Amino acid sequence: EVQLVQSGAEVKKSGESLKISCQGSGYSFTTYWIGWVRQLPGKGLEWMGIIYPDDSDVRYSPSFQGQVTISADESISTAYLQWGSLKASDTAMYYCARMAGTTMIDYWGQGTLVTVSS
Amino acid sequence: QSALTQPASVSGSPGQSITISCTGSSSDVGGYNYVSWYRQHPDKAPQLVIYDVTKRPSGISDRFSGSKSGNTASLTISGLQAEDEADYYCSSYTDNYSYVFGTGTKVTVL
Repeated sequence: EVQLVQSGAEVKKSGESLKISCQGSGYSFTTYWIGWVRQLPGKGLEWMGIIYPDDSDVRYSPSFQGQVTISADESISTAYLQWGSLKASDTAMYYCARMAGTTMIDYWGQGTLVTVSS
Repeated sequence: QSALTQPASVSGSPGQSITISCTGSSSDVGGYNYVSWYRQHPDKAPQLVIYDVTKRPSGISDRFSGSKSGNTASLTISGLQAEDEADYYCSSYTDNYSYVFGTGTKVTVL
């Protein structure tokens, strides 16, 4: 069974750093792109970027380029999303997702809620 | 990269059919047959209901169908049921492994 299990909810202060994770299981982790999606409170879905774990090829959406870092450790089948300096506006639910054929998401993680206080 | 445009809300009575539109441009919806649709129930992760414009993943009811004309894709739900009440998002591949979601549509079953 394909599963993406994300790390737990985080409460941080503005200016702090953060790295959240997404561990895949039940499939060959290195051969599927993993995407990260942001959902602001009460708002819609936003693509942040994608990574191909086999060679760590990363493509950022223009809105998120320079704002976050996406990485992966294939040895533990885990993808990461990190911030160097959080802002209150980063408060959101973050989903990781497996991409099938690079054109659609077939599996989603359960989401990680990040709350940043000013 | 602007979000694809969807109606904010669509409603229908049980048994009726509804259609949700998703309008983009020739750089995304119109340029590729890579439109997918996701259903999201409150406080849940989204779920794929249509991919590659018209295809249904296994386990998704045949009451869900997709189509595209020019720069606008559409999701039709026929035989509307209470469980269909949710938010729906379209998504399209754009260029160079870039993607964009729609603004989202709240479906209400009256």
